[in-house]
Amino acid sequence: AQSVTQLGSHVSVSEGALVLLRCNYSSSVPPYLFWYVQYPNQGLQLLLKYTTGATLVKGINGFEAEFKKSETSFHLTKPSAHMSDAAEYFCAVSEGNTDKLIFGTGTRLQVFP
Amino acid sequence: GAVVSQHPSWVICKSGTSVKIECRSLDFQATTMFWYRQFPKQSLMLMATSNEGSKATYEQGVEKDKFLINHASLTLSTLTVTSAHPEDSSFYICSARVTPLAKQFFGPGTRLTVL
Repeated sequence: AQSVTQLGSHVSVSEGALVLLRCNYSSSVPPYLFWYVQYPNQGLQLLLKYTTGATLVKGINGFEAEFKKSETSFHLTKPSAHMSDAAEYFCAVSEGNTDKLIFGTGTRLQVFP
Repeated sequence: GAVVSQHPSWVICKSGTSVKIECRSLDFQATTMFWYRQFPKQSLMLMATSNEGSKATYEQGVEKDKFLINHASLTLSTLTVTSAHPEDSSFYICSARVTPLAKQFFGPGTRLTVL
């Protein structure tokens, strides 16, 4: 069975600081990995996804994530936080190329001026 | 980009009543819609997958007679929580996609509180 663990339900950073949101997964088959962002009163939006190939994936809004098979991780980073990055972030995994997404519990990012 | 709406955004009902939640794809036709549930401090859990014109496929542990799903058109799916109880209080989220394995577009969610 697949699972996703997001370490830290809340992360706070100063504007301009590095953002690091952690995600570890468990999967018995090669995983497809996703990061979604949810702004208040809006639906989840896809930030980026890893399927196959290059392990460093670049997404929207300056975010990127690196798939590390040996560490079963897919951490999300952004070099410099912006106030507009404050939101809830969800990591998800699917069993290969399937529709079924398994989500983590989410990490709320706060950005202070 | 593609937009998915949900109505209502929140609802409070008495125990024993039924509640209907609508999920609409506003600017595209969704052959498949997904329903998720999220309890506080927990992850989104897939409840069921509905394809237009056919019966929904429910995930293990989800009561199909309690959570009725109707996907009558390519732009509308409804989730009816029948005989709701306080333990059904949760955040219900839908998503929709056009073709198999395509990107899912998520609605903003509906918060259900059962008194």
